[in-house]
Amino acid sequence: QKEVEQDPGPLSVPEGAIVSLNCTYSNSAFQYFMWYRQYSRKGPELLMYTYSSGNKEDGRFTAQVDKSSKYISLFIRDSQPSDSATYLCAMPLMDGGTSYGKLTFGQGTILTVHP
Amino acid sequence: KAGVTQTPRYLIKTRGQQVTLSCSPISGHRSVSWYQQTPGQGLQFLFEYFSETQRNKGNFPGRFSGRQFSNSRSEMNVSTLELGDSALYLCASSSGASGNTIYFGEGSWLTVV
Repeated sequence: QKEVEQDPGPLSVPEGAIVSLNCTYSNSAFQYFMWYRQYSRKGPELLMYTYSSGNKEDGRFTAQVDKSSKYISLFIRDSQPSDSATYLCAMPLMDGGTSYGKLTFGQGTILTVHP
Repeated sequence: KAGVTQTPRYLIKTRGQQVTLSCSPISGHRSVSWYQQTPGQGLQFLFEYFSETQRNKGNFPGRFSGRQFSNSRSEMNVSTLELGDSALYLCASSSGASGNTIYFGEGSWLTVV
């Protein structure tokens, strides 16, 4: 079983739709959670970064963490064609409460928003 | 503030050759990590350097190596290239402090023929 599971999709939605992207993880040591967006042939771009359970909002993006279920989500409101990309969840290695630069990634979900 | 810079962006090598990729982290960042991204395996961690010391290593053969310089710039080297080494190699930088955010460069596209 992979430490981080993410449905690869692909996911296709009409412009304006609410998009829900999800990851589950098995390692309860993960404390920090990141969402990256990667456009074709580009490096991953950090979108959201959360620590505690609950919701964090940034513009059209909301990150949700449920540590009890080991489940994280990213919601995109009013989706735009420019949101078409691969979305990756990621969690840093933890050791005794300290996080390091080693990230464990989900497989990535390919999202297409069509006009 | 300049982002993470990787060079070269694209390169083609022949099987058996070696390659060196370079990464300049964000100014002030002391941690540099390297990842390999392929369609089949996704993003896989290679190694992390902090203050010139390797502090984490992924599950890759010894042909993959790296180093970090005193100015935090980092290089990774792949020797005896194989066709399966064709991938996007990504460098990421962070301050190295616990819980800090990690930023990626645009990557180096390596094709082995």
